[in-house]
Amino acid sequence: DVKVTQSSRYLVKRTGEKVFLECVQDMDHENMFWYRQDPGLGLRLIYFSYDVKMKEKGDIPEGYSVSREKKERFSLILESASTNQTSMYLCASSGGTATGELFFGEGSRLTVL
Amino acid sequence: QKEVEQDPGPLSVPEGAIVSLNCTYSNSAFQYFMWYRQYSRKGPELLMYTYSSGNKEDGRFTAQVDKSSKYISLFIRDSQPSDSATYLCAMANQAGTALIFGKGTTLSVSS
Repeated sequence: DVKVTQSSRYLVKRTGEKVFLECVQDMDHENMFWYRQDPGLGLRLIYFSYDVKMKEKGDIPEGYSVSREKKERFSLILESASTNQTSMYLCASSGGTATGELFFGEGSRLTVL
Repeated sequence: QKEVEQDPGPLSVPEGAIVSLNCTYSNSAFQYFMWYRQYSRKGPELLMYTYSSGNKEDGRFTAQVDKSSKYISLFIRDSQPSDSATYLCAMANQAGTALIFGKGTTLSVSS
């Protein structure tokens, strides 16, 4: 069964802390994505990656960075968390083209105090 | 004008009703159209995938694409309480780097 696993379902961090959100997929997919989802704003693309060690900015990359050292793992990093980064973060992967079916993880709910 | 517009609702219907969910878009290059369903506290999952214009049916669900009007629809027949979720439309063009999502419509089906 297809699986995208996000390491933490719920996190509470303080302003200024460094935050790591981990995502692992077991489908050997080339493409991986990080979105954030906020009420009234929908899903917004932060970063995506087509291949190992490769990354592309999405629509809202400011305040975030990513790392993809292995094909199955895509990490989202908040260098210095701020309250406006409180959100639901969703990781997704797809095989073939980047416009194919996306498989999502269950999400990581981050609260920054 | 945003690339993809979707009425957020909420939409409340009784069990057994026919539900119509819609999205409009502005980019005439879009060729791939999808509907995702997202239950509370879960990630979205693909419900329907359509290429170009036309209809596609899967059980109680029908996806419709009208490229001339830049309008896509998802119809749910005989709606069930288990259909209560947020429905997101998504679309892309052939050269697209990633899907463009609507904001989602929240549907509640009462028994």
